[in-house]
This record gives sequence, C-alpha cells and structure tokens, in this order.
Amino acid sequence: DVKVTQSSRYLVKRTGEKVFLECVQDMDHENMFWYRQDPGLGLRLIYFSYDVKMKEKGDIPEGYSVSREKKERFSLILESASTNQTSMYLCASWGEGASYNSPLHFGNGTRLTVT
Amino acid sequence: GNSVTQMEGPVTLSEEAFLTINCTYTATGYPSLFWYVQYPGEGLQLLLKATKADDKGSNKGFEATYRKETTSFHLEKGSVQVSDSAVYFCALSKGSSNTGKLIFGQGTTLQVKP
Repeated sequence: DVKVTQSSRYLVKRTGEKVFLECVQDMDHENMFWYRQDPGLGLRLIYFSYDVKMKEKGDIPEGYSVSREKKERFSLILESASTNQTSMYLCASWGEGASYNSPLHFGNGTRLTVT
Repeated sequence: GNSVTQMEGPVTLSEEAFLTINCTYTATGYPSLFWYVQYPGEGLQLLLKATKADDKGSNKGFEATYRKETTSFHLEKGSVQVSDSAVYFCALSKGSSNTGKLIFGQGTTLQVKP
C-alpha cells in the first residue's frame, strides 16, 4: 500500500528559528507536494517537485524553501519561522505513469506552532 | 483562474439523515473533479472522482455528479453515520496538465450525532 510519512506530527518552534519538515514516500513517485491547511482556506500549495533537484513555486511560496536531494524525500524549510506560519502542513505524492485523474497520496500532516 | 467553492460549514446532522455538501467550480477547459475526505488526525484520502461531464463518482455510499451546465459537483449520501464525521474537500485538476496538481476548496466539516 502507498505510504507517505511525515516525520513529526507536532512541532513547536520559536520565532526566527530555522525549521525543517520532512516527508518520505515509498512509491517511487516523481511528483511531491507541500500544502498548508488553514481553517476556512482549505489547502494551498506551497511548493512542488517533479524530479530530484527540481522544484516549482506554488501559490504561497513566500517564507519557504524546499529540498529534494533524493527521489523519496521532500523537505520543506522555513528559513526564519514566523507566527503566521503556524499551520497544518501536508505532504503529498503522485506518480508518473498515473493518469491526470489519479489521486494524490497524503501524509498525516505536521501541526506546526510558532511562538 | 481556476477555483473551487464549497458550502460553509460546519454541517451537523443526526445519524441516518440525508447529506448534501455543495461544490461549484470555475475552470477553463475540462477539469477532472474530486472529493477528498480527512478523518480526524489523518491526511486526506480520495473519496470519489469524475473525469467528464455527466459522470457520477461513487464510493462508500457517497455520490457526486459532474454537472458542466451548472459547474457543480455536489456530494450526497442518503444516510450518514457517526463514522462519516470528517472534513470534506472538493478539488479539481486540469485535465491537460499531467502533474497531479489540484486546486482545493476550503473544506466542509461534517459532524454526525448519534
């Protein structure tokens, strides 16, 4: 069965800290995504990656960067955490060869609190 | 641009009641449409999908019909259970784009009481 694993369920960080959110998938998927989920706003795409070392900005990339050194791992980086980045972060993957209407596979999320 | 609008929640129903969650979309071309569900403490999972006009997606007693004339994809279930309590997201993908990128609505929380 498809599995997307996010390393932390809950994180509490201080303003200004550098924060790493890690995501690993075991399906050999090319495409990986980082979304943030906020009440009333749904899911908004931060960044996605369609291959190792390749990345594209999503709808809300400001304040974030990403790293994809290996196919199975996609990291989201908050260079200097701020309180408005307190949110639920969801990682997802999607495979080449899948049709355009194949589903995304999501991790269980990381709830980040920045104090 | 493309967008998805869902009805405001939360929706609170008694067990065995009929459920409708409205979803309308704006898109160019011919998108595929999806409903995803998020149970407490979990990530999203695909509930059902439809890829062209008049298609009906169905799963676990839920149904939704792709209505191009009204640009809608409303989710329905005839008799809800307590275990259906979750957040439901409507989403669309651009059919011409083979990336897996989806545009999500804001989500609708459903609470079913015994």
